[in-house]
Amino acid sequence: DSGVTQTPKHLITATGQRVTLRCSPRSGDLSVYWYQQSLDQGLQFLIQYYNGEERAKGNILERFSAQQFPDLHSELNLSSLELGDSALYFCASSAGTGYLSYGYTFGSGTRLTVV
Amino acid sequence: SQELEQSPQSLIVQEGKNLTINCTSSKTLYGLYWYKQKYGEGLIFLMMLQKGGEEKSHEKITAKLDEKKQQSSLHITASQPSHAGIYLCGAVSEKLVFGKGTKLTVNP
Repeated sequence: DSGVTQTPKHLITATGQRVTLRCSPRSGDLSVYWYQQSLDQGLQFLIQYYNGEERAKGNILERFSAQQFPDLHSELNLSSLELGDSALYFCASSAGTGYLSYGYTFGSGTRLTVV
Repeated sequence: SQELEQSPQSLIVQEGKNLTINCTSSKTLYGLYWYKQKYGEGLIFLMMLQKGGEEKSHEKITAKLDEKKQQSSLHITASQPSHAGIYLCGAVSEKLVFGKGTKLTVNP
């Protein structure tokens, strides 16, 4: 157990639907990062939150959004799902942010299948 | 934006052999992480390198950071089937960016 909890582990949904992925960071970590991993694209950074505020944005589609709550857990919302959104979605956490981040810890991921 | 290139993309070795995986950055490296991933599973932290010339070892895995070359290498000595998986390097910048990974197969 890495200390980063992601739920659910597996999700199967239809095209056009909306899903929410949840992440609880390791105790004491203020930063949460979301990544998407597909076979052809590798591990792609989506977005980072630090202590409730968006800090960095990567290749995140407009159909996707995220937020970090006061208790520091984070949710990634994926809407108008397409077949190509099928992937592993990882959450990671760290104590700091940017160049001061240390100890990125990853959760076990949520496998999303869009049918 | 920073990009990381890993080589080789895949590697098949016989148990007991040594091997090296390289990670080259398009920009200056301020910190470099190595992770291991079993297919479809989460990332397991191996080690982090922060200073040029730094070298760290964990069991039979050694990683080095060559800041001038903007490169890191991961060396496995006397490989075992348990070493099989995907090795990912990640560079610390504004966020952690990853290479596409090196898939390692170790045949008994």
